[in-house]
Amino acid sequence: GQQLNQSPQSMFIQEGEDVSMNCTSSSIFNTWLWYKQDPGEGPVLLIALYKAGELTSNGRLTAQFGITRKDSFLNISASIPSDVGIYFCAGRSTLGRLYFGRGTQLTVWP
Amino acid sequence: KAGVTQTPRYLIKTRGQQVTLSCSPISGHRSVSWYQQTPGQGLQFLFEYFSETQRNKGNFPGRFSGRQFSNSRSEMNVSTLELGDSALYLCASTSVAGANTGELFFGEGSRLTVL
Repeated sequence: GQQLNQSPQSMFIQEGEDVSMNCTSSSIFNTWLWYKQDPGEGPVLLIALYKAGELTSNGRLTAQFGITRKDSFLNISASIPSDVGIYFCAGRSTLGRLYFGRGTQLTVWP
Repeated sequence: KAGVTQTPRYLIKTRGQQVTLSCSPISGHRSVSWYQQTPGQGLQFLFEYFSETQRNKGNFPGRFSGRQFSNSRSEMNVSTLELGDSALYLCASTSVAGANTGELFFGEGSRLTVL
């Protein structure tokens, strides 16, 4: 099935640094979502984007729905140790199917 | 309200055996989806059920099957297990509104190891 191109695959950063990750697709999506998975847990929804160009924040997290509807990015500002986990992007196609990226593994050093 | 509950959390099987995993969605959610998560492939969609009917199916062999009961609880079954079936199996439920936006609520998963 279709897979989104999510990058980077992994990041090792120091506490306090900003983080940026993105997702691209060859197809148009109606919705972009960002999930975070803590170790031993299921993914949890962080941000949902519904309109091209939309920029949405959730605390230190900011995500944007690309104007072409084929990409999205997630920024985390001033990272803290509890930001550690796997971040997944997901896109919902015009036919209603949901596709996930392969995830970005984030490690934050104190 | 209680989240999505998956059982068992961990299990070990041997090749050729079969396994059944269970998922109880959030109360009021009628849509249940199943995903397979492996380090190399990320989250792969298995199937989605709504009101006891399979609404979507991913690209998995027929050894993978599922069903949904009238109380929205769902089970998935994998027969003739192979080593490559070792993975975290995640169940997610969504409300009617969430089904239109893709907002899923995931359980903690069932980690299957096939020896």
